[in-house]
Amino acid sequence: GQQLNQSPQSMFIQEGEDVSMNCTSSSIFNTWLWYKQDPGEGPVLLIALYKAGELTSNGRLTAQFGITRKDSFLNISASIPSDVGIYFCAGHGSSNTGKLIFGQGTTLQVKP
Amino acid sequence: DAGVIQSPRHEVTEMGQEVTLRCKPISGHDYLFWYRQTMMRGLELLIYFNNNVPIDDSGMPEDRFSAKMPNASFSTLKIQPSEPRDSAVYFCASSLGTLWAFFGQGTRLTVV
Repeated sequence: GQQLNQSPQSMFIQEGEDVSMNCTSSSIFNTWLWYKQDPGEGPVLLIALYKAGELTSNGRLTAQFGITRKDSFLNISASIPSDVGIYFCAGHGSSNTGKLIFGQGTTLQVKP
Repeated sequence: DAGVIQSPRHEVTEMGQEVTLRCKPISGHDYLFWYRQTMMRGLELLIYFNNNVPIDDSGMPEDRFSAKMPNASFSTLKIQPSEPRDSAVYFCASSLGTLWAFFGQGTRLTVV
C-alpha cells in the first residue's frame, strides 16, 4: 500500500535555529498535510497543501507540495521552545478514496 | 464546535476483558477514522468510514478488533478479548470530504 517516509526521525536544535523536515512517497499523493502533536494530545493541523508546487506559510512555518506530487517539506524558522513536539506529514493518495495516511513523525526538541 | 470527542481518556483493563472506545465526530463531517499510535509503529490507520459505511478495514490487526458506526454522530472501536500488546493510544478523527482531518484527544489504553 501507499506509504510516507518522513525524515529525519528526530532533531535536537538550539532555540533560534531554522528546522527542515521532509516526507517522500513512491506513489503520487493528491494532498499533503502537516500536523503537530503535543504530549498527551491529538495531532493538530498546521498546513494543508492541495496543488503540486504550492508553497504555503503559516507564521514561521512554510510547507511545499512537491512538483512530482511525491514529496513535501516543512520548514520552521527561528525555532522557539514551544515548537517542541512530533511533526507528522500526511496525505491522501491518488485513488481519491479518502484514506488519510501518516508518516512516522519527526520528533523535535529545542534547547533554550 | 466541540471538536472530536473521545471517551474514555484513559482505560486500564485486564487481559481478556472487552474494551469499548467511543467517538463523536464533528457534526457534518462525512469521514471518520480510527488510528492507533505506539512508539514502535507510529500512527496506524485501523479503519475508516464514509457516510457511516466502513470503506477500508485493512489496518485492523486481528478479528479481536471491530468497529461500528451506527449513525453519523457516533462510532465505537471494540477489542475482545484484549491483550497486553493492544496497549496504545487510540485516536478518532473526522473530516469533511478529503479535506484535513480533526483529531480527538485520544484514549490511552493499558492492558495488564
